[in-house]
Parts: sequence; C-alpha cells; structure tokens
Amino acid sequence: DAGVTQSPTHLIKTRGQHVTLRCSPISGHKSVSWYQQVLGQGPQFIFQYYEKEERGRGNFPDRFSARQFPNYSSELNVNALLLGDSALYLCASSFFQGEETQYFGPGTRLLVL
Amino acid sequence: RKEVEQDPGPFNVPEGATVAFNCTYSNSASQSFFWYRQDCRKEPKLLMSVYSSGNEDGRFTAQLNRASQYISLLIRDSKLSDSATYLCVVKGNGQNFVFGPGTRLSVLP
Repeated sequence: DAGVTQSPTHLIKTRGQHVTLRCSPISGHKSVSWYQQVLGQGPQFIFQYYEKEERGRGNFPDRFSARQFPNYSSELNVNALLLGDSALYLCASSFFQGEETQYFGPGTRLLVL
Repeated sequence: RKEVEQDPGPFNVPEGATVAFNCTYSNSASQSFFWYRQDCRKEPKLLMSVYSSGNEDGRFTAQLNRASQYISLLIRDSKLSDSATYLCVVKGNGQNFVFGPGTRLSVLP
C-alpha cells in the first residue's frame, strides 16, 4: 500500500508569493494534519482536518490556510510568503480524528528567497 | 516555558553503549506520550508509545513519570543505525500532537 504522498518535494519561492502544497493520505485514512518543521526544531502543528472539516489549528497567522477534499486529500496554502516560512512542511494521516498513530509523508521542502 | 523540552544534544556514543534521553512537558492534562525517530532529511516515524507502567521494545525502553511530567527513552547496545534525532511527543485533550525540539544521537564505530 502507498504511504502518505506529498507534492512537490522541493519548492523555491520569493517573498510575497503564494504557495500550495498537496498531500494524499494513506488509503482509508480520513484525518490529515499539517506540520511545519524549521531546521533544528521539532515539527509544529498547523492544522488538522477530518471529514473535510477543520478540527484543529495551531498558532500560525491567517496567511496559512488549508482544506480537505472529498477524497480526503488536502492542500496547504500560504500567502504573502516570508523568509521565515522556509521549512519542511509535513503532512500526517490517520484513520480517524484522535487516533494515536499518525503516519508522516516525506514532506515538501520550501525555500523562500 | 516550551510545552515539550528536550536536551538537543548531540549525544555522541560508541557502539554498544547505553544512552538515555529525557523529556519534560508542561501541560499536566497531557494524556498520550510517544517517541518518534527522525533520520536526517526524512520524515518522523513512530518509535514507540509511552505508557505509565513503562514499556520495552527490544533494546528500547520508555518510561513515564506523570507526577514529575517527565518521559525517558533508554537505548541499550547502541547500533550505528540508531543514529538519528529522537523526538518526544505529547498529546493533550485536543487532537494535536506537540513535538519537542528533538535530541540528536550519533553512534560512533
């Protein structure tokens, strides 16, 4: 079975631009969470979606938004990019909301110049 | 104070050594605890859950002390392949997982 997939794998943007990152959960998983991991730090929670609804939001500005589609895939959008948005963006899926085990995708490396 | 704190290391140990990592958390309402492993430039992967009674998985032993809000991970007989960053993770009443900054381990030949 395929694991969590994310696209693109790498991305370079300039300040002020917009970016969309994509995630496909493991087949059958209905919950998707997004994390930002800055170099040298642990992942920081951004959003959780379950059954196409936002179920949790971390301490990130409104420039960050996300959505989940009927097939449970998800997009993370970041507007007005700042240099500090450079990070590894990780998507994690689990079967249902609140499940203890989550599976991470390989991440998207975003560099903002 | 950060929600989850860890010594960033690095811990440089020879093969065969025993090494212990500690983690403290600030939210006393936290309910679930985990150790994840993250290899360089890879995604985190669940190593083991941590239970109040303590649990063991091969060379790995995890302990939880709720009173002190402290979690530990012990690795016995270290292998070169154990070299990675070990992330302490705490889950509270909400649905999100809170990760510590990670402790870097290098096992040397």
